[in-house]
Amino acid sequence: QSVLTQPPSVSAAPGQKVTISCSGSSSNIGNNFVSWYQQLPGTAPKLLIYDNNKRPSGIPDRFSGSKSGTSATLGITGLQTGDEADYYCATWDSSLSAGVFGGGTKVTVL
Amino acid sequence: QVQMVESGGGVVQPGRSLRLSCAASGFTFSRDAMHWVRQAPDKGLEWVAVISYDGSNKYYADSVKGRFTISRDTPQNTLYLQMNSLRAEDTAVYYCARGEPTRPYDAFDIWGQGTMVTVSP
Repeated sequence: QSVLTQPPSVSAAPGQKVTISCSGSSSNIGNNFVSWYQQLPGTAPKLLIYDNNKRPSGIPDRFSGSKSGTSATLGITGLQTGDEADYYCATWDSSLSAGVFGGGTKVTVL
Repeated sequence: QVQMVESGGGVVQPGRSLRLSCAASGFTFSRDAMHWVRQAPDKGLEWVAVISYDGSNKYYADSVKGRFTISRDTPQNTLYLQMNSLRAEDTAVYYCARGEPTRPYDAFDIWGQGTMVTVSP
């Protein structure tokens, strides 16, 4: 049981948009910054979004992040077959004094 | 180039110990917090531990507290994870990751390729 809650899977056709939610509480998302990761099969995770909505250099602007209260959202527009991967949200939990991840969401391009 | 390379994984019996290493290069290791994150087979990511840039602060997941110890050798640009009293549920790929400089505890911007630890009789 993950501290952060994500839907197990989302899907859409190529070129469409998907959103992935990440729900937490005041001790984690509500008072800390959220980051998002893409994990392609058999590879290490890759940072997509940090500081709720900032993209590291090299990450296309098809990927976006937002946060409201105790929830965060990752958006992917112009969906491509190469976007098929598992996506994770993460943040710091001030009550646990520990990092926390969501359970992960599998994105399928139909 | 910027990279981190883990080593030290393998097969170990329950109750035994193992030490993982992570060699960092291409960035100023002494300035950054460093994390261990693990992933059990076909499961999601689980944060394990973090050490601050100067080693003065360390935090652990409840699942490993009291059994695992994170440390760093700054002159050698190396991060360690000492794992004692290993259990079957510790079986996972272990990744080292750098804390993103502006958000050292909230985000992980550089990852190693991972090293597999299997705890089995």
